[in-house]
Amino acid sequence: NAGVTQTPKFQVLKTGQSMTLQCAQDMNHEYMSWYRQDPGMGLRLIHYSVGAGITDQGEVPNGYNVSRSTTEDFPLRLLSAAPSQTSVYFCATTFGLNTEAFFGQGTRLTVV
Amino acid sequence: QQQVKQSPQSLIVQKGGIPIINCAYENTAFDYFPWYQQFPGKGPALLIAIRPDVSEKKEGRFTISFNKSAKQFSLHIMDSQPGDSATYFCAASIDYGGATNKLIFGTGTLLAVQP
Repeated sequence: NAGVTQTPKFQVLKTGQSMTLQCAQDMNHEYMSWYRQDPGMGLRLIHYSVGAGITDQGEVPNGYNVSRSTTEDFPLRLLSAAPSQTSVYFCATTFGLNTEAFFGQGTRLTVV
Repeated sequence: QQQVKQSPQSLIVQKGGIPIINCAYENTAFDYFPWYQQFPGKGPALLIAIRPDVSEKKEGRFTISFNKSAKQFSLHIMDSQPGDSATYFCAASIDYGGATNKLIFGTGTLLAVQP
């Protein structure tokens, strides 16, 4: 029972490259979210999903796409990486509204 | 616009001291207030949470105090230990009728407990 698994743990991209951050959960939770963590800014919500086939934007969605084809997986795509997207990205899942959020270990992304 | 304001940014206490971290919010529709603890290189993990119908909640050495009229809540760590050294985030969320679970986080407090 791994919980929430994020891959890769570290990534360096060149400006303009695209990539997908993977998130998988084995907790059978409907709710999944992506956050980015930047110094002095806390965690900010990028996109979230309330179930397979349903996604919506959070606070800072620009430059990112998501899809949710299965309950288990919620990949985050960077379309054309920019230095401003250098951050630590966390995927989280919850069982339901206003319940504990379980976070993955994070992906540290550097865009040069 | 920071909907949840957290202070201080960093805090150093001696072992056994009682660090206090404060958060203030503006949206009176928030109805769930969790605190998360994060160690270096790890994801945040739920520490304790409170709902606005109570003024205080204790779990072990951790206590949340909640002041609904002032729109403030705080985390107290009793008898703090070096192992409590971490970053602490307060958060808030709104009941959107079951449609979502969007957490709004504060900016975090880096706590160092010196032995």
